[in-house]
Amino acid sequence: GQNIDQPTEMTATEGAIVQINCTYQTSGFNGLFWYQQHAGEAPTFLSYNVLDGLEEKGRFSSFLSRSKGYSYLLLKELQMKDSASYLCAVRSTGGGNKLTFGTGTQLKVEL
Amino acid sequence: GAGVSQSPSNKVTEKGKDVELRCDPISGHTALYWYRQSLGQGLEFLIYFQGNSAPDKSGLPSDRFSAERTGGSVSTLTIQRTQQEDSAVYLCASSLARRNQPQHFGDGTRLSIL
Repeated sequence: GQNIDQPTEMTATEGAIVQINCTYQTSGFNGLFWYQQHAGEAPTFLSYNVLDGLEEKGRFSSFLSRSKGYSYLLLKELQMKDSASYLCAVRSTGGGNKLTFGTGTQLKVEL
Repeated sequence: GAGVSQSPSNKVTEKGKDVELRCDPISGHTALYWYRQSLGQGLEFLIYFQGNSAPDKSGLPSDRFSAERTGGSVSTLTIQRTQQEDSAVYLCASSLARRNQPQHFGDGTRLSIL
């Protein structure tokens, strides 16, 4: 089976940096995705990691350590529009392309 | 180009009725997925179609749930004899078949069982 853990809620200040952690346990790791979901909207793809290290994409970066079963999403220069739920999802070997999602981290950006 | 389209966007029905939810994937995407999202819960995998292969139905919660994908494109998720615990947002996603390709989600169907 698989288990994915993320903090339920986080609060940060506009202009600051926030790190959202995700830990996972899986029988065969085959990639990790981060999605952003605004209330009432579809999840949208942010990043993909399959090898150890940091992937940077504008204000968003994602890190993976396969040996530790750990990833984080780093958001820089926070904006009010970044207030959303951030979903960590893991794909496992033998499971095709289906994803197992964490329950999501609700980020609130304040002035 | 158009994204993943789902219909209806909202559905309210009485317990015991059957419902059909529709998904139009992005053109050219060979993989199609159904998930559901209950309040305060993560997305729960239901079923996955890839090309002409047999679908992965391992996430369907009971035999009241079934899905079809006709002509490798449009998919319909059917829930028979609905129960109140079926109330959730049902999300469809599609992707290209390659490993590093992300899934693109529709806006979902919000299903409410009275």
